[in-house]
Amino acid sequence: ETGVTQSPTHLIKTRGQQVTLRCSSQSGHNTVSWYQQALGQGPQFIFQYYREEENGRGNFPPRFSGLQFPNYSSELNVNALELDDSALYLCASTLGTSGAGGADTQYFGPGTRLTVL
Amino acid sequence: AQSVTQLGSHVSVSEGALVLLRCNYSSSVPPYLFWYVQYPNQGLQLLLKYTSAATLVKGINGFEAEFKKSETSFHLTKPSAHMSDAAEYFCAVSAPNAGKSTFGDGTTLTVKP
Repeated sequence: ETGVTQSPTHLIKTRGQQVTLRCSSQSGHNTVSWYQQALGQGPQFIFQYYREEENGRGNFPPRFSGLQFPNYSSELNVNALELDDSALYLCASTLGTSGAGGADTQYFGPGTRLTVL
Repeated sequence: AQSVTQLGSHVSVSEGALVLLRCNYSSSVPPYLFWYVQYPNQGLQLLLKYTSAATLVKGINGFEAEFKKSETSFHLTKPSAHMSDAAEYFCAVSAPNAGKSTFGDGTTLTVKP
């Protein structure tokens, strides 16, 4: 049990729709990262937020966006869904003191499985 | 740029046998290295991490890994496999000044009775 929760657990959308995924981090964890894990692959870094500001982004298009809130919750928004967006979406929180910190332990939530039809 | 290669997408061992999961990395800066385990329908759980202290790192559930710079490897081992070790294992690398991790494609460990 990592103390990181995600909602919903599963979600089915159709191509072109928009989706919002939510994550609740451990209290005091001011850094949250989002990852996309396609079937049979490792997680791929989408972006990271530190103190409500984007603090790094992976190779994902702008239709992937996020928000982080002062209460340690965060959102991942995906617009104009495509079939290839079907994946498990993971959030991970860290007790980062600077927003960087490659050695910081990331605490992962259980993920949201998104299916795009 | 950083990358991770996990050799062997599937590894099968008998209960009580040695577990060896291979990970090689590429990094332009001194890396931090991690091993995670993922059980079905769950998130990732950290097994152990290397952060430039001791090269032999001990983790949870009897797992350990050795950082070998000359071989750019960080293989995961466990002396005696248990049925409960059956899961997906991921090796990951991160840079000292970047919080993101780059993951390998994973190795599925099967433990036979």
